[in-house]
Amino acid sequence: EDQVTQSPEALRLQEGESSSLNCSYTVSGLRGLFWYRQDPGKGPEFLFTLYSAGEEKEKERLKATLTKKESFLHITAPKPEVSATYLCAVQAPGGSYIPTFGRGTSLIVHP
Amino acid sequence: NAGVTQTPKFQVLKTGQSMTLQCAQDMNHNSMYWYRQDPGMGLRLIYYSASEGTTDKGEVPNGYNVSRLNKREFSLRLESAAPSQTSVYFCASEAGLRETQYFGPGTRLLVL
Repeated sequence: EDQVTQSPEALRLQEGESSSLNCSYTVSGLRGLFWYRQDPGKGPEFLFTLYSAGEEKEKERLKATLTKKESFLHITAPKPEVSATYLCAVQAPGGSYIPTFGRGTSLIVHP
Repeated sequence: NAGVTQTPKFQVLKTGQSMTLQCAQDMNHNSMYWYRQDPGMGLRLIYYSASEGTTDKGEVPNGYNVSRLNKREFSLRLESAAPSQTSVYFCASEAGLRETQYFGPGTRLLVL
């Protein structure tokens, strides 16, 4: 059973149309939640780390938030260049703190 | 500062052939990881090395072996490749617990 579930699997937006990606998790004792961006044909690139419920982090038009059950990646007035796959990973005490990745959300922003 | 490098970038193998995927990092990180990424499956951990001299199995270790050659290098070996091992392989490193993972550019492997 998945410990990390990302939704939606794919999302198409028009340029300027704000939306949010979801990452829900079932691990107990969360140590850290990570967001990565992955462009086609490349490795994941780090965006944010969140450690506790209520924490928020922001970078350009992206804002990540965390509750006790899920994290959201809010995308404000997106431009086509934010098109990518966004991965979420959680780190828990069990399993030597090895992060568990979700399956990702593929985001396409049309001009 | 190259970060995490992987070789080769692309490889085609025939069933039963062997090969080694190379990974090196220049960030003085303690931990290194090998993942495979398949469509619809996300990133799955094959093996990891928490520190130089140690290696442990991940979620999908069957058919693979690893060597942590030194602090910089972590290799992944396929002894007898199978079509089910067709995938994109990523190496990653991190400084320590609760730290960010840095990924290499990936190796695309096709097993015929």
